[in-house]
Amino acid sequence: QQQVKQSPQSLIVQKGGISIINCAYENTAFDYFPWYQQFPGKGPALLIAIRPDVSEKKEGRFTISFNKSAKQFSLHIMDSQPGDSATYFCAASWSNYQLIWGAGTKLIIKP
Amino acid sequence: DAMVIQNPRYQVTQFGKPVTLSCSQTLNHNVMYWYQQKSSQAPKLLFHYYDKDFNNEADTPDNFQSRRPNTSFCFLDIRSPGLGDAAMYLCATSRDRGSYNEQFFGPGTRLTVL
Repeated sequence: QQQVKQSPQSLIVQKGGISIINCAYENTAFDYFPWYQQFPGKGPALLIAIRPDVSEKKEGRFTISFNKSAKQFSLHIMDSQPGDSATYFCAASWSNYQLIWGAGTKLIIKP
Repeated sequence: DAMVIQNPRYQVTQFGKPVTLSCSQTLNHNVMYWYQQKSSQAPKLLFHYYDKDFNNEADTPDNFQSRRPNTSFCFLDIRSPGLGDAAMYLCATSRDRGSYNEQFFGPGTRLTVL
């Protein structure tokens, strides 16, 4: 029940296309859903985050869509660029300190 | 710029030889975390400090210890590294615990065990 399931494991998208990564959870106590971006040899960095009282949050080309009833959330990257090539992790937490991480998606944007 | 700094970036040790990794932060955050990340996996939380209060994860091996002598510094000690401890070790900080507190990560220390 503490898991966050992330798919796909890897994704190849053409430059200019839309990249979509999906996550699902079971624990309805989760109240914070961040996405982290990690480049090779670097630590993860927060990309965008959402609370469950909001169905969508957009920051530039990055959008989180949140479906509370389905217990799913997804990251959409519009107009994907080669510089977006990285590993993306979804995560979830509740009042506890701990982040529950998805397994990660390795995204490759082809020029 | 405020940041999380980890030293060294690369560490090679021998099987069973103790090693210490260090982390410092200029963010003045209350919470400091140590994560272990193996290739193609998500970071795995080992423990965290909330101010001086140490919080160990239930499945963190006794081989891993930590010290936080002051707000800015935190150390990860691996008493007897095994081959399975080869990984990237990430330090992170947050202003407080709980939801909505962004965690800021350092660049990591890649540990090789020979």
